[in-house]
Amino acid sequence: GAGVSQSPSNKVTEKGKDVELRCDPISGHTALYWYRQSLGQGLEFLIYFQGNSAPDKSGLPSDRFSAERTGGSVSTLTIQRTQQEDSAVYLCASSPSYGGRQPQHFGDGTRLSIL
Amino acid sequence: DAKTTQPNSMESNEEEPVHLPCNHSTISGTDYIHWYRQLPSQGPEYVIHGLTSNVNNRMASLAIAEDRKSSTLILHRATLRDAAVYYCIPRGSGTYKYIFGTGTRLKVLA
Repeated sequence: GAGVSQSPSNKVTEKGKDVELRCDPISGHTALYWYRQSLGQGLEFLIYFQGNSAPDKSGLPSDRFSAERTGGSVSTLTIQRTQQEDSAVYLCASSPSYGGRQPQHFGDGTRLSIL
Repeated sequence: DAKTTQPNSMESNEEEPVHLPCNHSTISGTDYIHWYRQLPSQGPEYVIHGLTSNVNNRMASLAIAEDRKSSTLILHRATLRDAAVYYCIPRGSGTYKYIFGTGTRLKVLA
C-alpha cells in the first residue's frame, strides 16, 4: 500500500522567505509526527499530532515554525522568515495510534536548502 | 528516556550473518526496543521491535537479553542493500516520540 508521502522532495529558497512542507500520512493513521535531520545533529523530534490536535509542540525550534493538520490527514509544516540554520531534511512519520508498541512509518523527507 | 550505546560502525561480508549490538542499561520495564535503519537519502525504515521475548520477522531477528539491558539485531544474510545506519531506540508504552542516537553505520563488503 501507499506509504507516507512528502512534498516537495527538495526545496531551495532564499533566506527570509516562507516555506510550506506537506505530509500525506498512511490512510487511517491517526498519529502524525514531524522530525528534522541536520548534518551533524542527527534526527530530532519537532511536533506530534493526534488527530488534528498537537499535544506536544515542544520540539519546534522557534516561533517561526508552525504546523497544522486538517481532516485528521494531511499536515503542513510552515517555516517563516527562513534562516540558513533551517537547512535540513524534514521528515514526517505516521502510526495507527501513539504509544511505545506502535512503530512509526517515515516518508523520505523534504530536503530544504536555504541560500 | 533510556540512553543507548551502539558501535559507530561495523563491517560485514555479503551473505554472512551480522550481529548489531545495543546497550540500553537504563531501560525501564515498559520500554519497547525498536530498531530502525536508514539508507542513504531515505527516511528511517522500521525493522523490528520487541519487549521481552526474542522476535523474528522477514527482515531480521531481535535477541533481547534476559535483564533487558542489551539487545542484538541479527541480519541472517547480509546483502549490499543492507548497508545503512541502524538505530536502536527504547520507547515507553505511553511515549509518542523517538529519540534517535547516532546509530551504527553498517558497511557490507561484496
